[in-house]
Amino acid sequence: EPEVTQTPSHQVTQMGQEVILRCVPISNHLYFYWYRQILGQKVEFLVSFYNNEISEKSEIFDDQFSVERPDGSNFTLKIRSTKLEDSAMYFCASSPDKEYQPQHFGDGTRLSIL
Amino acid sequence: RKEVEQDPGPFNVPEGATVAFNCTYSNSASQSFFWYRQDCRKEPKLLMSVYSSGNEDGRFTAQLNRASQYISLLIRDSKLSDSATYLCVVILSGGSQGNLIFGKGTKLSVKP
Repeated sequence: EPEVTQTPSHQVTQMGQEVILRCVPISNHLYFYWYRQILGQKVEFLVSFYNNEISEKSEIFDDQFSVERPDGSNFTLKIRSTKLEDSAMYFCASSPDKEYQPQHFGDGTRLSIL
Repeated sequence: RKEVEQDPGPFNVPEGATVAFNCTYSNSASQSFFWYRQDCRKEPKLLMSVYSSGNEDGRFTAQLNRASQYISLLIRDSKLSDSATYLCVVILSGGSQGNLIFGKGTKLSVKP
């Protein structure tokens, strides 16, 4: 069964450093998403991406965050200057050609900011 | 008011028990509904979509009541492997590009 893959599985970064989280969505999917989950809290939407542009973003997704699809397969989340409160699990998800379809999640990147 | 509310549990049940989870959502513009399960420190995994007519997948039955803005999940003959956190998830219509809105989840622990 096709999967969403994410790398790295765990990233440890000093506060203030830039970090890039990588995702390879399922190949025939067209909608891509990033979510985060702070330990012990619910999964929160960050941003959705369709047709090579951001469709929607949440209040969490401020100017420190950016997304990119640099080639036909990768989908990246960049945090420009990390803060302690950015420590969380970051999940990438993708869904097929129509919105409102169930989304398939990667196994996440655990980001730890020191 | 929280967008998606769930009883956090934990629900501790013996193997073979039937257990029901409830969920309410606040936005009547909610378009699509799902149950996901999440194991500790893992990604959410789709369990099933929820349709107005109700739907069943093996031991799992999901119901949706749009008038009451209420979703339920019933697990029959629970197994040890059902132990997880069950997430109620909705998608809004009208301008939303399909981002999922998650409840905090209900933790289920099935004991031998």
